[in-house]
Amino acid sequence: GQQVMQIPQYQHVQEGEDFTTYCNSSTTLSNIQWYKQRPGGHPVFLIQLVKSGEVKKQKRLTFQFGEAKKNSSLHITATQTTDVGTYFCAGLPRGAGSYQLTFGKGTKLSVIP
Amino acid sequence: EPEVTQTPSHQVTQMGQEVILRCVPISNHLYFYWYRQILGQKVEFLVSFYNNEISEKSEIFDDQFSVERPDGSNFTLKIRSTKLEDSAMYFCASRTTWGQPQHFGDGTRLSIL
Repeated sequence: GQQVMQIPQYQHVQEGEDFTTYCNSSTTLSNIQWYKQRPGGHPVFLIQLVKSGEVKKQKRLTFQFGEAKKNSSLHITATQTTDVGTYFCAGLPRGAGSYQLTFGKGTKLSVIP
Repeated sequence: EPEVTQTPSHQVTQMGQEVILRCVPISNHLYFYWYRQILGQKVEFLVSFYNNEISEKSEIFDDQFSVERPDGSNFTLKIRSTKLEDSAMYFCASRTTWGQPQHFGDGTRLSIL
């Protein structure tokens, strides 16, 4: 079945440093979604990427979808303590009308003030 | 802003007992989902539900699991005979139409003793 790998598992950064998490799917995706989960919270939708090579920005967050639609990245510029949480990518398989999202294991971000 | 609501927030049950987890999706949403997240691990898809029937289910969603939409607002997940390994956070999610993001509830923490 489809697998979504995400690295790194943990990332500790000083406040103000940049952060990047990478996501790689074993199969071509229809789209990829990114979620943030605060400690003790639920996944909160951040963004969805659909097109090959797509780049989207949300303030300090930059999301990219690879040309082959198999990998993606999330980059945070100048991290703040409010960025703390686990960032998950979730891939939707291409074709067959499936909407079974496969989540990566997540990258847990800690920001040291 | 409308929210997905889940009850109870925490359920403690003896192994072998039946448990029902309840969700009220956002009112104009048409697609409903259950996910599971074992402590510290990734979010795992269980089942999707549309037009009063299951659309897709994962390997986790075996004969011990069932879902229902008993009325126009509730969406329930039943586990018939709970096992220790069913201990996890269970998230309900809903969305409007194809391509729209899923909105997650706060989850129910299920503890099996």
